[in-house]
Amino acid sequence: GAVVSQHPSRVICKSGTSVKIECRSLDFQATTMFWYRQFPKQSLMLMATSNEGSKATYEQGVEKDKFLINHASLTLSTLTVTSAHPEDSSFYICSMTSAGGVGHEQFFGPGTRLTVL
Amino acid sequence: GENVEQHPSTLSVQEGDSAVIKCTYSDSASNYFPWYKQELGKRPQLIIDIRSNVGEKKDQRIAVTLNKTAKHFSLHITETQPEDSAVYFCAAHQTGKLIFGQGTTLQVKP
Repeated sequence: GAVVSQHPSRVICKSGTSVKIECRSLDFQATTMFWYRQFPKQSLMLMATSNEGSKATYEQGVEKDKFLINHASLTLSTLTVTSAHPEDSSFYICSMTSAGGVGHEQFFGPGTRLTVL
Repeated sequence: GENVEQHPSTLSVQEGDSAVIKCTYSDSASNYFPWYKQELGKRPQLIIDIRSNVGEKKDQRIAVTLNKTAKHFSLHITETQPEDSAVYFCAAHQTGKLIFGQGTTLQVKP
């Protein structure tokens, strides 16, 4: 149980284009969804937190107009990187907490490797 | 906000030895402390967690201790094996989100 999928697993795009990443819970309903960014050899940095039907809460330093988060339903969240640039190249990971879960455990997606040329 | 410091950044041990990774946190309101193992290019995998009402928890070769007064918690891996080699992250839960430590690269030499 508590399986999270993320697509695509890898994406290469040209500078200036937009990329959408999907995060889905396959066997549970998610109360809260999180998006993280992880640069090589670094830790996970929280970008934003979202609940269904409400606007995402962005962490300090994360541009909300550049990283668009849509919490479409209790099982789906999307992250769109708009006008991507090489410095946006990173490993993007989503996670979710379960409505039926215990405490604060987060279930992570497998991640998306974004490369911007 | 919460700040989590993790040490050491790298740790090399001989197979069969024990490994200890330590984290400190700043916000006394933090109440949940998970540990994750992450292999290259993969998602973080929860290996053990502890809540603030417990001082120690053990699961086979892995244990975590929590000292709320000192605001630090530690991961202990006994009888290490080469497959334990990975990056380990501690985290602290504060106001609905996890704050991660910087990570420890553990290398277990056969």
